[in-house]
Amino acid sequence: AQSVSQHNHHVILSEAASLELGCNYSYGGTVNLFWYVQYPGQHLQLLLKYFSGDPLVKGIKGFEAEFIKSKFSFNLRKPSVQWSDTAEYFCAVEGDSSYKLIFGSGTRLLVRP
Amino acid sequence: GAVVSQHPSWVICKSGTSVKIECRSLDFQATTMFWYRQFPKQSLMLMATSNEGSKATYEQGVEKDKFLINHASLTLSTLTVTSAHPEDSSFYICSARDPTRGDEQFFGPGTRLTVL
Repeated sequence: AQSVSQHNHHVILSEAASLELGCNYSYGGTVNLFWYVQYPGQHLQLLLKYFSGDPLVKGIKGFEAEFIKSKFSFNLRKPSVQWSDTAEYFCAVEGDSSYKLIFGSGTRLLVRP
Repeated sequence: GAVVSQHPSWVICKSGTSVKIECRSLDFQATTMFWYRQFPKQSLMLMATSNEGSKATYEQGVEKDKFLINHASLTLSTLTVTSAHPEDSSFYICSARDPTRGDEQFFGPGTRLTVL
């Protein structure tokens, strides 16, 4: 069965610090990978996605993620976070062409001004 | 981006009653919608896949007789929690797949259900 693990449950950073959130998945076949963000009081929004091609994917708001197939990882990065990045971040995997998403447990990011 | 709404945004009901939650795609037609459940401080867990005009496909461990899903049109799916109990209290989120936008899933704002 597919599973997704996010290593950091809570992250606290100061503004301008760099961010990296870990995501590992278990699935033997071809996968599509996603990062979603949920700002306080808002619905889930897609940050970025990887289907194929360049393993370094750029998303909205300066976020990027790198797919490393050998490590089954899809870590999210941002060089310099802002207070407005305070949110919960979810990694998700879609692996059997059914469009079903399997989510990680989420990482709550707090950025201090 | 595409917009998905849910109604109601929150509901409180007595144990034993049934509650219906609506999920609508406002500006696109969604052949497939998904229903998720999110417990406090936990991730979203897929409950079922709702296909327009056909029966929903439930994930393992989800009681289909308790969580009735109807996808009567290309813009509306409903989830009915039948004979609700306090353990059904949760945050229910739907998503809709837009085939015109690369099959991206767009999420609704969620419905918080509290069963007393």
